[in-house]
Amino acid sequence: SQQGEEDPQALSIQEGENATMNCSYKTSINNLQWYRQNSGRGLVHLILIRSNEREKHSGRLRVTLDTSKKSSSLLITASRAADTASYFCATVYGNNRLAFGKGNQVVVIP
Amino acid sequence: ETGVTQTPRHLVMGMTNKKSLKCEQHLGHNAMYWYKQSAKKPLELMFVYSLEERVENNSVPSRFSPECPNSSHLFLHLHTLQPEDSALYLCASSQDPVNYGYTFGSGTRLTVV
Repeated sequence: SQQGEEDPQALSIQEGENATMNCSYKTSINNLQWYRQNSGRGLVHLILIRSNEREKHSGRLRVTLDTSKKSSSLLITASRAADTASYFCATVYGNNRLAFGKGNQVVVIP
Repeated sequence: ETGVTQTPRHLVMGMTNKKSLKCEQHLGHNAMYWYKQSAKKPLELMFVYSLEERVENNSVPSRFSPECPNSSHLFLHLHTLQPEDSALYLCASSQDPVNYGYTFGSGTRLTVV
């Protein structure tokens, strides 16, 4: 069953702006992971945040986690055209299976 | 390249054809997965292999038949498919998904005509 679910909005922003997308989940988690998918390609693991962490940074990525609200956000700062992609959150369930959300499409206009 | 290679990248097949998708990883991962990604739908987990044994089959129609001859290779055999089976088929592998997630291949874009 799907546990991660992004806000179902497509973002269209200008290069240099920040992009924020959200994810909600339904059950308790060990960690939450974010992936990026360029058009017609596979998913690429971006960043993982553990349930005891509230914020994590990796380059221009900033992830927050609010376990009380069962939600996470991914912020991409100073966006670039190459950031155009779909972004998925994923949570672990059952026998170490990942459940992915529906994805959030981001278009960065040069 | 991610270390997970899928072939072919694109495949067009008729409903009466038989074809196979191939996935290969040399990352030393012990689990491999097939996912189906259709437009505007969440990723659908189809099959899971752990140490070459199928451990999960999520109510996938029998026209999809997986095979895992060894820990590095995974196949998806296709026969008598339907147009609604057209999708991007993604292979992934993992060693420790809780801490490191999955590594995905680039996918096979399948079109059934």
